[in-house]
Amino acid sequence: QVQLVESGGGVVQAGTSLSLSCVASGFTFSTYSMHWVRQAPGKGLEWVAVISYDGGKKYYADSVRGRFTISRDNSKNTMYLQVNSLRADDTAVYYCAKEWGSQGLYYGMDVWGQGTTVTVSS
Amino acid sequence: QSALTQPASVSGSPGQSITISCTGTSSDIGGYNSVFWYQQHPGKAPKLMIYEVKNRPSGVSNRFSGSKSGNTASLTISGLQADDEADYYCSSYTTSRTLVFGGGTKLTVL
Repeated sequence: QVQLVESGGGVVQAGTSLSLSCVASGFTFSTYSMHWVRQAPGKGLEWVAVISYDGGKKYYADSVRGRFTISRDNSKNTMYLQVNSLRADDTAVYYCAKEWGSQGLYYGMDVWGQGTTVTVSS
Repeated sequence: QSALTQPASVSGSPGQSITISCTGTSSDIGGYNSVFWYQQHPGKAPKLMIYEVKNRPSGVSNRFSGSKSGNTASLTISGLQADDEADYYCSSYTTSRTLVFGGGTKLTVL
């Protein structure tokens, strides 16, 4: 079945870095764009970034642009999020999600992982 | 990019219908049909309920429907059931090539 599994979260100090991973299975990863979405404790969903199916296009939310970097390795069916200069307001569950349509950017997600938790302590 | 505007909460009795609105601008909802709706139960990942304004993914009940008029999108749930109680989020593509979510609406089934 289609599955996304995130990892890499943890408790870190403000100002430090972390690398999140999302391993995909059950679909042709290389033909789907992928997103990162986060959710702070008790808050709503916040879109973080998207990467096109071929890795050629990357777009970020204003709140993370310049600090976060999205990437993917289609040979490993894996997407990454490098998060630098972490701040307390980056504390959240980070979800990876698959685009609903193939070979394009449609900005809608039909499959979500269970999330990985990042806690930034100051 | 400001979040789309949703009511914080709505409620209805079993069997009734409710509608959740999602208001944006001409730079997001009003300019594109890339409007999506998600359901999220506590402690769970979001689930896609409606894609591109009004389409239901396979497996989603036909009690869920979506529409759009101008800068406002709507999700209607008919024949409310206890399991519909959840948080609902709208989202839209924006002219900045980003995505914006609504603040979320908590649906209570009385």
